[in-house]
Amino acid sequence: QVQLVQSGAEVKKPGSSVKVSCKASGGTFSSYTISWVRQAPGQGLEWMGRIIPILDITNYAQNFQGRVTITADKSTSTAYMELSSLRSEDTAMYYCAGDFWSGYYTYNWFDPWGQGTLVTVSS
Amino acid sequence: QSALTQPASVSGSPGQSITISCTGTSSDVGGYNYVSWYQQHPGKAPKLMIYDVTNRPSGVSNRFSGSKSGNTASLTISGLQAIDEADYYCISYTSSSTLYVFGTGTKVTVL
Repeated sequence: QVQLVQSGAEVKKPGSSVKVSCKASGGTFSSYTISWVRQAPGQGLEWMGRIIPILDITNYAQNFQGRVTITADKSTSTAYMELSSLRSEDTAMYYCAGDFWSGYYTYNWFDPWGQGTLVTVSS
Repeated sequence: QSALTQPASVSGSPGQSITISCTGTSSDVGGYNYVSWYQQHPGKAPKLMIYDVTNRPSGVSNRFSGSKSGNTASLTISGLQAIDEADYYCISYTSSSTLYVFGTGTKVTVL
């Protein structure tokens, strides 16, 4: 079973960008898609987008289109999420989550999850 | 794409059964059998409890079950225990360009 380990907490200024990493270990990176999910303090979960690393195909939620970029480095089994033009409302915990990729379709459920990365946007 | 609708809170006594609903549209919950449920304890990452509406992953207690009728999916917890106290979220695949939509979340309290 693959495990996902995320990079550490970040503090950013409004208007800047943040890049969070998610490294897979213990399994086959190419067998998964990686989604990113955001959770603002005291709020619910929000799907941001995903990448199919083996195909280098991305999909983004409408709410984040144009501001989020998801990439993957197959050589290091690591996915990245970069969010630009940060504002205070982007202060949140960011999770990566894996979805099994059969080679033709995804299973459409998320397991495993990373431990989360807290991004704080403050002047 | 609007979030799926869940009750804000559900409570029950130990040993009782509770059901959490997750209401969407024919473009998401009603159109696909790709509804999954997640349990989240405070300060922890979500944990998969049910996938494909009714299936339980290995290691998840059989006290958890899922179902769907029309545009509403449901998670039932039977034999409620203190450890079940957590937030629960549904998520569905959707035909919109935003591929997945989460529910609003339900806080389960064990009285």
